[in-house]
Amino acid sequence: DAGVTQSPTHLIKTRGQQVTLRCSPKSGHDTVSWYQQALGQGPQFIFQYYEEEERQRGNFPDRFSGHQFPNYSSELNVNALLLGDSALYLCASSLAAGPPVDTQYFGPGTRLTVL
Amino acid sequence: GNSVTQMEGPVTLSEEAFLTINCTYTATGYPSLFWYVQYPGEGLQLLLKATKADDKGSNKGFEATYRKETTSFHLEKGSVQVSDSAVYFCALSDQNDYKLSFGAGTTVTVRA
Repeated sequence: DAGVTQSPTHLIKTRGQQVTLRCSPKSGHDTVSWYQQALGQGPQFIFQYYEEEERQRGNFPDRFSGHQFPNYSSELNVNALLLGDSALYLCASSLAAGPPVDTQYFGPGTRLTVL
Repeated sequence: GNSVTQMEGPVTLSEEAFLTINCTYTATGYPSLFWYVQYPGEGLQLLLKATKADDKGSNKGFEATYRKETTSFHLEKGSVQVSDSAVYFCALSDQNDYKLSFGAGTTVTVRA
């Protein structure tokens, strides 16, 4: 049973560029959440997708956008990259139950470096 | 808003020592509480959880009890191993929320 997978593993971009990160949820899960984890800090919630719609959003600017596909996989897009966007981006999948959240299963993350 | 405060690290212990990581929270209502662990080079893994007051979560020798009166969810293990070296995150989910709110994490290093 494959867990949550993310691609790519690492990514290097320059300021002003755009990036797309991808996530495939754990088998049987229909909900995908994205988190940003800066170095030495806890993950911060970006948004959650369910039924191809953004269900809840954290305190992130509109430069951060996402999409969920009919097979439940998801993309995170970040436009006009800033140095401060350098972080580990984590995808988590779960079942639609809640709130509150039941268990979220996390992928290994994509390490984004902005130069 | 919701917040989680964790004991600051790093924490360095010898093998077979007792480990406690303090976690307190601020939330409206009655949140669900979680401990996640992040081993070097890996993603977050759920360690244990508790969904109501006085519940005790346990896994792999770790325990934590949901204390509503002190708004705490401290993590404990009686005898740590080198393999327990990791970053530990306390998190909560408010009853009206679809997200997890995490603490800053506590780095634990266990020496042989």
